[in-house]
Amino acid sequence: DTGVSQDPRHKITKRGQNVTFRCDPISEHNRLYWYRQTLGQGPEFLTYFQNEAQLEKSRLLSDRFSAERPKGSFSTLEIQRTEQGDSAMYLCASSLRGFNSPLHFGNGTRLTVT
Amino acid sequence: DQQVKQNSPSLSVQEGRISILNCDYTNSMFDYFLWYKKYPAEGPTFLISISSIKDKNEDGRFTVFLNKSAKHLSLHIVPSQPGDSAVYFCAAIRNDYKLSFGAGTTVTVRA
Repeated sequence: DTGVSQDPRHKITKRGQNVTFRCDPISEHNRLYWYRQTLGQGPEFLTYFQNEAQLEKSRLLSDRFSAERPKGSFSTLEIQRTEQGDSAMYLCASSLRGFNSPLHFGNGTRLTVT
Repeated sequence: DQQVKQNSPSLSVQEGRISILNCDYTNSMFDYFLWYKKYPAEGPTFLISISSIKDKNEDGRFTVFLNKSAKHLSLHIVPSQPGDSAVYFCAAIRNDYKLSFGAGTTVTVRA
């Protein structure tokens, strides 16, 4: 079990630029989640994949955000035309199917939009 | 809307004493509750969970209590150790996959 891996760990970008983050889940996990965490808050749900299918997107995920999970393996989260309000920690998690299978989180990608 | 609330942003406790963290929720449809622990610069790690059909679950020094009528759960850590200093998140799940988190409580264990 190598854990959930996220890349990069930190990203600084200028407003208006596009950024892409990658998440490699635990290999046998068929569920993958993206969460966003801002200072003083708990993680907020963004989107969820079961295998390659994106089954739910939060209202928080505006049309500037897109997530993919080709072939049900790694996932990417892209933010287009970044805004300062996008500055946050973006957390990826994976789990097995079943509500009692806890989510395993990566260490996150910290995005700073200047 | 904040469906899971942790009203105490911080807690300081002496080493060896009990830490009690509290969490309230508003959605009666939650069917599973979890506690996560987070160290700086790391992602949250799963600590302990409880099904909505139970009122207590114990794992070593950690015990979670659930009071469904009050929509309240708590995490007890006995005895508290310096390595327990971290941010603790209460979370609840519904629809089999969607986890909602509280804002977290920062625990500091004093030597």
